Amino acid sequence: KAGVTQTPRYLIKTRGQQVTLSCSPISGHRSVSWYQQTPGQGLQFLFEYFSETQRNKGNFPGRFSGRQFSNSRSEMNVSTLELGDSALYLCASSTRTVYTGELFFGEGSRLTVL
Amino acid sequence: SQKIEQNSEALNIQEGKTATLTCNYTNYSPAYLQWYRQDPGRGPVFLLLIRENEKEKRKERLKVTFDTTLKQSLFHITASQPADSATYLCALSNRDDKIIFGKGTRLHILP
Repeated sequence: KAGVTQTPRYLIKTRGQQVTLSCSPISGHRSVSWYQQTPGQGLQFLFEYFSETQRNKGNFPGRFSGRQFSNSRSEMNVSTLELGDSALYLCASSTRTVYTGELFFGEGSRLTVL
Repeated sequence: SQKIEQNSEALNIQEGKTATLTCNYTNYSPAYLQWYRQDPGRGPVFLLLIRENEKEKRKERLKVTFDTTLKQSLFHITASQPADSATYLCALSNRDDKIIFGKGTRLHILP
């Protein structure tokens, strides 16, 4: 069974640009959640999608957005990039929800903002 | 505000001994507590989940305890091996579907 796939793995952007990251969950998983990981703040919840609906959102500005497609694949977008957005962005899929746990994480997309 | 604290320093344990990692939390009433392992450059891997009404859970060499009165979870790895060296994250979630993670404890098992 294929794991969670995230693309691209690495990317470099400049301030003010926007970026779109993609996540393909494990087949049959309807929940996809996104996280930002930095050395200073650790792993922080961005949002969760379940059956194409955003179920919950963390404390991030509106520049961070996402969506989920009917095949459960998900994308997240960050607009007007800032230096502080440099981080590892992880997505996770689950058969249930973020609340009930057992999250399967991808390898992440490492974003560097110059 | 909600806060999770894990051993901030790296933990060095001799091979074969039991490693014990701590997760303390404040201003939170979790329904679930989870432990994940993360290797450098990789995504976290789920290890164990324990519910608020459970005191202890085991899986092979792993054991987790959950004390909602002390607001603390202990994570034990018995008969530790160098391959157990990694960063271990604890995570709390509750009924409003939010999840919060600790910053992790780096564990080094010394041969």
